[in-house]
Amino acid sequence: NAGVTQTPKFQVLKTGQSMTLQCAQDMNHEYMSWYRQDPGMGLRLIHYSVGAGITDQGEVPNGYNVSRSTTEDFPLRLLSAAPSQTSVYFCASSYYARGGVNEQFFGPGTRLTVL
Amino acid sequence: AQSVTQLDSHVSVSEGTPVLLRCNYSSSYSPSLFWYVQHPNKGLQLLLKYTSAATLVKGINGFEAEFKKSETSFHLTKPSAHMSDAAEYFCVVTFNDYKLSFGAGTTVTVRA
Repeated sequence: NAGVTQTPKFQVLKTGQSMTLQCAQDMNHEYMSWYRQDPGMGLRLIHYSVGAGITDQGEVPNGYNVSRSTTEDFPLRLLSAAPSQTSVYFCASSYYARGGVNEQFFGPGTRLTVL
Repeated sequence: AQSVTQLDSHVSVSEGTPVLLRCNYSSSYSPSLFWYVQHPNKGLQLLLKYTSAATLVKGINGFEAEFKKSETSFHLTKPSAHMSDAAEYFCVVTFNDYKLSFGAGTTVTVRA
């Protein structure tokens, strides 16, 4: 199993540009999520999905869109990049267990710089 | 609302000495708690988790953590630090769902 994969590993954008961060998992996990990591703030949840066709907002959703057309893929779209979106982005997945808690598996991250 | 406070932003220890990383949580419900480790330029790896079974939880690489409800704490310890333990550590809380709340992180450096 490749686990959780993310592309690209690094990206530089200009203010106002749009792009999509890709995330895929091959573990047949129902739950997928996107986090951003900023110095001194830990990881903050952007959006999450509990299955194909179902998404919801996390703690910091503004400026980002997601969709979940398949179990495997969960892309994150930046509609109009801003310098405040400079961060490291992590995708994670886990089995969804109602009333239970399962380990989330994290991808290697995408380091994004917006100029 | 749930939140996590890691009491030390940076911990420095000598190789072979004990490591203590402190974490306090606030939650209206019985929480599930995790410790994750992140090595430089890497993703996050689960060290251990507490999900209302035994209060002393053993994890990978010799780490363990004790859940103390009366103190709302979940401190991480290791008896003898190794150079490979140099990393950032995150305490994480959730109350039986899939939304994780992360602490700000503790950076561990290990001196030879």
